[in-house]
Amino acid sequence: DQQVKQNSPSLSVQEGRISILNCDYTNSMFDYFLWYKKYPAEGPTFLISISSIKDKNEDGRFTVFLNKSAKHLSLHIVPSQPGDSAVYFCAAINLMDSSYKLIFGSGTRLLVRP
Amino acid sequence: DAGVTQSPTHLIKTRGQQVTLRCSPISGHKSVSWYQQVLGQGPQFIFQYYEKEERGRGNFPDRFSARQFPNYSSELNVNALLLGDSALYLCASGGWEGPDTQYFGPGTRLTVL
Repeated sequence: DQQVKQNSPSLSVQEGRISILNCDYTNSMFDYFLWYKKYPAEGPTFLISISSIKDKNEDGRFTVFLNKSAKHLSLHIVPSQPGDSAVYFCAAINLMDSSYKLIFGSGTRLLVRP
Repeated sequence: DAGVTQSPTHLIKTRGQQVTLRCSPISGHKSVSWYQQVLGQGPQFIFQYYEKEERGRGNFPDRFSARQFPNYSSELNVNALLLGDSALYLCASGGWEGPDTQYFGPGTRLTVL
């Protein structure tokens, strides 16, 4: 039972263009969402997050949008750079859970072509 | 400052054997979480420890166990290894100040033959 889904295993984008990565969730108890970036042979690195009380959070080239009614979030990267090529994981959390257990999607591999 | 360190980097075991993976959190962090990442999937939560107490456990069999030591380092033990235990095992430290503050180590790649 996948509570967090990333339906696109891969995405290829031209350098300078926008990359849009999507994520859907099923558990309405999730109230905080995070995006992680993972390079080979490294652990996931936190990128950006959003609380369920917001619908948008921006940090430089990265913006996350949350549509609670659709249980959908997306990560926008503008402009995309070759160094952004990595696997991106969406994760969700129920802040009432004292373990801060992250529930991850299966990831989307982003390739930014020069 | 050193990040989260994990040892060993790679490990090959055979079915039925036992394995111990180690994690040292970032200095000052009192919380350690363990995740299993099977190829092609996202990380899956196994355990969290805070101040040497188990604070959370994922949907894993009793073959998986963990502990945290007084210096906040942690060990993950897996008994009676199965082929399906082959995965990248990730340790994360911190997080008690908020979900954004969990930092992952590079992982231990376990192969079970």
